[in-house]
Amino acid sequence: DAKTTQPPSMDCAEGRAANLPCNHSTISGNEYVYWYRQIHSQGPQYIIHGLKNNETNEMASLIITEDRKSSTLILPHATLRDTAVYYCIVRVSPIDTGRRALTFGSGTRLQVQP
Amino acid sequence: EAGVAQSPRYKIIEKRQSVAFWCNPISGHATLYWYQQILGQGPKLLIQFQNNGVVDDSQLPKDRFSAERLKGVDSTLKIQPAKLEDSAVYLCASSRFGSQANYGYTFGSGTRLTVV
Repeated sequence: DAKTTQPPSMDCAEGRAANLPCNHSTISGNEYVYWYRQIHSQGPQYIIHGLKNNETNEMASLIITEDRKSSTLILPHATLRDTAVYYCIVRVSPIDTGRRALTFGSGTRLQVQP
Repeated sequence: EAGVAQSPRYKIIEKRQSVAFWCNPISGHATLYWYQQILGQGPKLLIQFQNNGVVDDSQLPKDRFSAERLKGVDSTLKIQPAKLEDSAVYLCASSRFGSQANYGYTFGSGTRLTVV
């Protein structure tokens, strides 16, 4: 699986958009970008994933650059409950979930300020 | 649907003692994972089961750690004897194998182990 690079920490004001970057310059054509987050004292939680098109769900939006070497997770209106560690993970097809486990890096610690 | 259940929530033991953690995955999820998360780091895979068979245990310290998943449902992870460096949160996760309906893993809240 391709390696990812994320800033160790970020701050965001409550109510503003939080934009979390991720670099994955060695991504392969069949690898997806996944985002998980981990709120204090809880296990990681799935947020969103995508291959090359931008994706949006009730939690967040995922913007992937045209060359697929980087992506941005957007929380449109951050709340205090969004304070967490956010992990960007690159791996093969979601159908393959039974073959190789997710590998987590150190992630980005997002602090939402009141 | 009910989430992934783990117990106990917290455990404090002395070094060289043994400890066991229990996990009950989401019903119907064939794949089960145990991760170790040391403070300040991301989770690290210890072992992956597909039904009751081991898919990957390459990062499991087999001299002291063992895990089983009898009948392909519940799982237990054991440490014997424990060392100070085993202090961590032990996370269990499950996923549905081979289905596009569930793209993600579902994690339990973990067991926080402190070895003193």
